[in-house]
Amino acid sequence: GAVVSQHPSWVICKSGTSVKIECRSLDFQATTMFWYRQFPKQSLMLMATSNEGSKATYEQGVEKDKFLINHASLTLSTLTVTSAHPEDSSFYICSALGTDYYEQYFGPGTRLTVT
Amino acid sequence: AQKITQTQPGMFVQEKEAVTLDCTYDTSDQSYGLFWYKQPSSGEMIFLIYQGSYDEQNATEGRYSLNFQKARKSANLVISASQLGDSAMYFCAMRERETSGSRLTFGEGTQLTVNP
Repeated sequence: GAVVSQHPSWVICKSGTSVKIECRSLDFQATTMFWYRQFPKQSLMLMATSNEGSKATYEQGVEKDKFLINHASLTLSTLTVTSAHPEDSSFYICSALGTDYYEQYFGPGTRLTVT
Repeated sequence: AQKITQTQPGMFVQEKEAVTLDCTYDTSDQSYGLFWYKQPSSGEMIFLIYQGSYDEQNATEGRYSLNFQKARKSANLVISASQLGDSAMYFCAMRERETSGSRLTFGEGTQLTVNP
């Protein structure tokens, strides 16, 4: 149980376009999901906390107009990178808070390359 | 100040030997949790072990054990009988219940290489 999926697993897009990444909790309902970004050989950096039915809470320094987060249902959160640039190339990982509101279950990640 | 510090960017261990990965933390919360995750080259985050601040005994999960020294604010991961498949990045993380709710703060990670 407690499986989180991400789609796509990797994506290549051209500079200036937008790309959407989906995060789904497959066998449980998640009122809270988290989005992280990880650059090569670095740690995970929390970008935002996504709450079902309400606006996401962004970490300091993260542009909310660039990284649009929508948590429209209890099993799906989406991250849209708008007007992507090469510096947005990174590994994006989501996690979902379990029904015990304690453990985070991580998705497998999405590797974004902007050319 | 860094909330989670992992001072070992890289560690090497011989197969079948034990290895300790260091983690120190900084918090003023009374209630907090400490986690260790493994991240292989595929990128997935694999949960290994958890220690709560009120747990009196050190956590153990199979070959993984957590050496929790509360007064020193350290939560070192011990891997016994290392296997080649243990080669990966290891992250220590903390959740501060009072300060940040369910959010996790990660350390910089330690790259473990197990040599045959």
